Amino acid sequence: QVQLLQSGAEVRMPGASVKVSCKASGYTFTKYLIHWVRQAPGQGLESMGVINPSIGATTYAQKFRDRVTMTRDTSTGTFYMELSSLRPEDTAVYFCARRSGTFWGLDYWGQGSLVTVSS
Amino acid sequence: EIVLTQSPGTLSLSLGERATLSCRASQSVSSSYLAWYQQKRGQAPKLLIYDASTRATGISDRFSGSGYATDFTLTISSLEPEDAAVYYCQQYGSSGFIFGPGTTVEIK
Repeated sequence: QVQLLQSGAEVRMPGASVKVSCKASGYTFTKYLIHWVRQAPGQGLESMGVINPSIGATTYAQKFRDRVTMTRDTSTGTFYMELSSLRPEDTAVYFCARRSGTFWGLDYWGQGSLVTVSS
Repeated sequence: EIVLTQSPGTLSLSLGERATLSCRASQSVSSSYLAWYQQKRGQAPKLLIYDASTRATGISDRFSGSGYATDFTLTISSLEPEDAAVYYCQQYGSSGFIFGPGTTVEIK
């Protein structure tokens, strides 16, 4: 069965960086795009960007373009999202999600990783 | 950039009642790009509907989607306790996936 297993909660100081991982299993790793979506406490869903695992190409949302890096490790089937220059408003749950190969939607989601930015 | 607006913000209904959730786009969007998700407290979102009206695998037929262009609707035909959640519409555009602000469904 398809699974996206994310890394655990992290606490960072303002100005630091955080790297969240998302290990994929149960499907062919290179066939499906992976999106990263975040959700601040009590707020809605915010798309951060997408990575094509086949070639490593990325597209980032304008808001995060200068601070986010999405990568993948094909040898371990793991995706990474690194966010730098953290500020308190980056406190959120970060989700990885797989884009369906046949329609425009996110059909499987990781369980989420809470990142807390606080001094 | 397309903006999605959802209404109402909160819907409070009794068990067995019909819930009608609206998603309006600031400009016409393809139905192929419109999806709905359900998110229960403390959980990841779950895909309910894609292509505006197609139920995802394993989704109860109590959930149905309709609409086109700028106006889309998610209907829950008969509310059950497990339907208490936040529901988000989503569309895909040039800047990637865009989500609406969500509608909270409460069970009285």
